[in-house]
Amino acid sequence: EVQLVESGGGLVQSGESLRLSCAASGFSFSNYNINWVRQAPGKGLEWISYISYSGRTIYYADSVRGRFTISRDNAKKSLYLQMDILRVDDTAIYYCVREGLGPTVDAFDLWGQGTMVTVSS
Amino acid sequence: DIQMTQSPSTLSASVGDRVTITCRASQSLSSSLAWYQQKPGRAPTLLIYKASSLESGVPSRFSGSESGTEYSLTISSLQPDDFATYYCQQYNSYSQWTFGQGTKVEVK
Repeated sequence: EVQLVESGGGLVQSGESLRLSCAASGFSFSNYNINWVRQAPGKGLEWISYISYSGRTIYYADSVRGRFTISRDNAKKSLYLQMDILRVDDTAIYYCVREGLGPTVDAFDLWGQGTMVTVSS
Repeated sequence: DIQMTQSPSTLSASVGDRVTITCRASQSLSSSLAWYQQKPGRAPTLLIYKASSLESGVPSRFSGSESGTEYSLTISSLQPDDFATYYCQQYNSYSQWTFGQGTKVEVK
């Protein structure tokens, strides 16, 4: 089955760190650009980070730049998000999201089920 | 950064209605716009890409169109399974992807 499965979410205190993982299966992970998108409770979608298929190109949203680090291990078909200096407003569901290839190129064509991160004060 | 203004924020409709949701971009997107559907407690799913191309497996009652910097998602005949929240997303600005604020389609 083609899928992305996130893990690593949980409850932490403000200022602490957390590392999210995303495991891919059913497709050639190393061929795809991958993103992290988050959704605060009751709110809309916010793109936060991108990593190219090779790992050589990385982007961050202003809201997380300098605190979050995206990485990938193509041999393990896995994506990671190291989140440091967490703030209460980082509380959200974090989705691992694949960018399409071919006709759907650049659109977000496969989403994981999400992992919840709660940051308390 | 490209800003996306989506409207309305809430839409009340009945089964069988024709429904249209709109997103206006702050600059040209060269058709690099997608629409997603999200149901409560679930991840979003891709409906439309390149402004008007239907993702595989998506019912043909969904369609997308563009006029300048205004993009629309239309559901030709609303079905019970379509009550959900819809988001537009621009992917023209590489390095800063942005979503619209979302439109919740609810039962009238």
